[in-house]
Amino acid sequence: ILNVEQSPQSLHVQEGDSTNFTCSFPSSNFYALHWYRWETAKSPEALFVMTLNGDEKKKGRISATLNTKEGYSYLYIKGSQPEDSATYLCAFVTGANNLFFGTGTRLTVIP
Amino acid sequence: KAGVTQTPRYLIKTRGQQVTLSCSPISGHRSVSWYQQTPGQGLQFLFEYFSETQRNKGNFPGRFSGRQFSNSRSEMNVSTLELGDSALYLCASSPQYPGQGGDEQFFGPGTRLTVL
Repeated sequence: ILNVEQSPQSLHVQEGDSTNFTCSFPSSNFYALHWYRWETAKSPEALFVMTLNGDEKKKGRISATLNTKEGYSYLYIKGSQPEDSATYLCAFVTGANNLFFGTGTRLTVIP
Repeated sequence: KAGVTQTPRYLIKTRGQQVTLSCSPISGHRSVSWYQQTPGQGLQFLFEYFSETQRNKGNFPGRFSGRQFSNSRSEMNVSTLELGDSALYLCASSPQYPGQGGDEQFFGPGTRLTVL
């Protein structure tokens, strides 16, 4: 079983603060890294699919970086808003197309 | 485009029974994956089907099985239910292999299974 770790487990920030969290994964057999946002009572939705070392992706106030050699990805949220409150999941995709999810970072943005 | 649908949304069963869950992927998607989520655990990969063939299987006992039909709809079956099978079961579809060519997964709303 492959270990994908996310930290912190949970986070409370004030509206307007910027924040970031980490996804750590094995540096071998890498194929892709996915980030998903999972809001309460909804389905997980993809934020980013990252495949290349050094990838940096951005969607509005959210961005992500990828380092496959050292086995980590960072997700950044700039100027957090209450609607950003959700659990953020990363998933490590192996060459055999197996997905291994971390347990997520639960973000709460306080108005 | 309609999203991924799962039926039923909620299910209560007793130990020893069996259950079948259904997933209809987004039209045109050929890959369907199933995941289990229990409290405190991340999404655990069960299996993935592509064009009616099981391509990948996670580390679950043989009581968990699935299949995919020619229209890409998929079913998951759990036999001889145990209390520990109580979980949220999510299915997800993607055009090709998850991660292949940058394909993300599109998740359904899940089926909440409670085993008493």
